[in-house]
Amino acid sequence: DSGVTQTPKHLITATGQRVTLRCSPRSGDLSVYWYQQSLDQGLQFLIQYYNGEERAKGNILERFSAQQFPDLHSELNLSSLELGDSALYFCASSAGGQNEDTQYFGPGTRLTVL
Amino acid sequence: SQKIEQNSEALNIQEGKTATLTCNYTNYSPAYLQWYRQDPGRGPVFLLLIRENEKEKRKERLKVTFDTTLKQSLFHITASQPADSATYLCALPSGGSYIPTFGRGTSLIVHP
Repeated sequence: DSGVTQTPKHLITATGQRVTLRCSPRSGDLSVYWYQQSLDQGLQFLIQYYNGEERAKGNILERFSAQQFPDLHSELNLSSLELGDSALYFCASSAGGQNEDTQYFGPGTRLTVL
Repeated sequence: SQKIEQNSEALNIQEGKTATLTCNYTNYSPAYLQWYRQDPGRGPVFLLLIRENEKEKRKERLKVTFDTTLKQSLFHITASQPADSATYLCALPSGGSYIPTFGRGTSLIVHP
């Protein structure tokens, strides 16, 4: 158990809908990362937050947004969902969000868009 | 941008043998390289980090090498066990960012 929790475990929704994925980092970790993993793309970095502020951005679509709250939990919002958004979404946390920081991954949320 | 290549074909080996997985990268050499293990439907788990000035790193039955001339890292599991069956991902920072870019991973299957 990495200490990172993600809810829900599974989510099934329809195209055009909006969903929110939630992540609680390990106790003491200030940095949260979001990743998308699909069969054809591998693990893709979306966005990082550090202590409430956006720190780095990857291949995140404009339809997706995220935030980190004062209690350090984070939410990833996916809107106008398309079939191609079906994937596993992982949250990871690290202590400082710096070079060589070990990332601890959560169990993931499996999103299915029908 | 950095391109990371891992063998997409599964590696099948017999229990007790040494498994060797390869990670090749293009362009510039990263300051470090990480290896993760991922089981089906679960999040990756960090295993080892090796820095560019380290040729080799060991942890229990795991050994990682880093050859910046060949732009390659090798990941070895000695005395492999069926419980070692998983997908192994390498990750390294890309461009000016410290955020690691992950390879697609290689599936290892250890047969009893």
